[in-house]
Amino acid sequence: QSVLTQPPSASGTPGQRVTISCSGSSSNIGSRTVNWYQQLPGTAPKLLIYSNDQRPSGVPDRFSGSKSGTSASLAISGLQSEDEADYYCAAGDVSLNGWVFGGGTKVTVL
Amino acid sequence: QLQLQESGPGLVKPSETLSLTCTVSGDSIDSRDYYWAWVRQPPGKGLEWIGSIHYREITYYNPSLKSRVTISVDRSKNHFSLKLNSVTAADTAVYYCARIDYDSSGSSYLDYWGQGTLVTVSS
Repeated sequence: QSVLTQPPSASGTPGQRVTISCSGSSSNIGSRTVNWYQQLPGTAPKLLIYSNDQRPSGVPDRFSGSKSGTSASLAISGLQSEDEADYYCAAGDVSLNGWVFGGGTKVTVL
Repeated sequence: QLQLQESGPGLVKPSETLSLTCTVSGDSIDSRDYYWAWVRQPPGKGLEWIGSIHYREITYYNPSLKSRVTISVDRSKNHFSLKLNSVTAADTAVYYCARIDYDSSGSSYLDYWGQGTLVTVSS
């Protein structure tokens, strides 16, 4: 059972917009910034969004993040076939002095 | 370009100790105030933070694993290590090492990851 709650799956057709939610508590998302990771099959997670809404260099602007209170969301605009992957939210947790993750959302491009 | 590489046995017997090392290349492990982390992922499941360490040997551990985990750093070898004792089948997972960076506001994130190494606990 993951500390952060994500839907297990999401899907869309090419070109559509897909949104993934991430719900936490006051000790994690409510107190810390949220990061998002993309994990392609058989590979390590890749940082997609940091500090709620910042994209590292090289990440397409089709990916965007937001946070409100104890929840956050990742949006993928103009969905492409290469976006099929697992997506994880993560945040620091003040009670752990460490990190908590969501259970992951598998995005399927129909 | 920073690179992290995990190494260690891929098979560990139940009740024994899992030992992994993460070798950092492309930068010094003590070049800035980074923390370094271990994260694991059981097959088909999500990610779990194990613990983090600073080059000054400040450590933080996941409370659920704290009694069995030790993370250490060796600046001379530019690597940090994980030891998990009394392992069971539930510890079977891909183990990743990662760097924790900070932005100007102090927000932190795991930016560079190793490729991961599968450790299976089985007799």
